[in-house]
Formats: sequence, C-alpha cells, structure tokens
Amino acid sequence: AQSVTQLGSHVSVSEGALVLLRCNYSSSVPPYLFWYVQYPNQGLQLLLKYTTGATLVKGINGFEAEFKKSETSFHLTKPSAHMSDAAEYFCAVSFMNTGFQKLVFGTGTRLLVSP
Amino acid sequence: DTGVSQDPRHKITKRGQNVTFRCDPISEHNRLYWYRQTLGQGPEFLTYFQNEAQLEKSRLLSDRFSAERPKGSFSTLEIQRTEQGDSAMYLCASSSRVLAGPKETQYFGPGTRLLVL
Repeated sequence: AQSVTQLGSHVSVSEGALVLLRCNYSSSVPPYLFWYVQYPNQGLQLLLKYTTGATLVKGINGFEAEFKKSETSFHLTKPSAHMSDAAEYFCAVSFMNTGFQKLVFGTGTRLLVSP
Repeated sequence: DTGVSQDPRHKITKRGQNVTFRCDPISEHNRLYWYRQTLGQGPEFLTYFQNEAQLEKSRLLSDRFSAERPKGSFSTLEIQRTEQGDSAMYLCASSSRVLAGPKETQYFGPGTRLLVL
C-alpha cells in the first residue's frame, strides 16, 4: 500500500534561510508525488508534482523538490525563506485506482518563519 | 474560474443531529472528491464522483455518511446522527477530465469545519 512519512511536525527557520521539508514514501508501483501547502483557514494549494521524467521538479513560490528513487524520498526545498511561506505543508502520493487519482497524504509539517 | 467553494465554512452541532455540507466545484470539472482532515493529520480520502456517479467510497465512510452529486455539478455530504468523532475539516476537491491520469490536478475548496458537541 502507498504511504507517506513526513519527518518533523514543525520546522522553524529564519527569514532568508534554507527551507528543507522531508518526505519519504512507500509505494509498490512507480509513485506520483505531490506537495501541497495549506494556509490558515484555506484549502490546499498544489505547489508541485512529480509524475515522470525530470526528477528535479520546480513549483510555485520558488519551491522545488527532487525525486530520489534510491532513497524513496521527495524532499521540498526553497533557498531563501520568506515570512509568507509560513504555513502547513503536506506531501502526498497517488496511484491510479480504477481510473481516478487517489491521494494519500502525510501528516503535514508546519513551517514557522521568524524575522 | 471562481475556484471550489464550500458551504458552510463552519458548523457547530450537538451529538445526534444531522448535518449537510455543500461543495460547488470549478465549473465543468467532472471529477469531485471529498476528504476529511482531523486535527494534526493530513486529509484522508472519503469518496469520489465522476459526473453524477459515485465510483469509490472509503471504508472511513460509515453508513451514517452519504454523498450525492445529483446533476454532476454541486455535491452534498450528509452525516446522520453525528458523533464527537466526526469533528473534523471536510474538504472538497475537483479536477478536470481533460487532465485525467497522473497529470490530473485536484483543486481544493476552503473546507467546512465541523464541531460536534
């Protein structure tokens, strides 16, 4: 069965510092991987996704993630944190089940950015 | 494109009462999903519609839960005889038939936060 593990329920960084949010997955088939962001009182917004092809995926707001099959990882990074990046981030894996996209989410990582 | 909308945004009810939530997907999106998110957890899949047909239901969806999408546009999620364990955020997402498969992107609504007293 597909599953996702996000290490660290909270990550704190200073403004301008590197952001690294960790995600490891388990999948019996080639995975499709996603990162979503959730701001307070809002729904989830897609940051980026990996399906096939290039393993380094660039997303919105300067985020990127690299699919590493050997490490079963899909960590999210951003070179320089901004105050507006403070939010909850969810990694998800999907597999095609009877023709639709079933997303399995991790437990989330709350990113705190200090001035 | 006005995005996915959900109503109400918040609902407080007493145990044993019935509640109904509404989701309006992005116009012409034929795929609609419901998820439940409890405190400190990621969203969990509940059910999936393609047009008006409910094609998949999670085991999380007990017989107290029912979802409909009668005309293939908006959807409702009803919980009968609510229990305190039903307290959660209920999220709706929709996607387009055009980008089905791995390239599909689900667009999420703001959610309905339910509190059962």
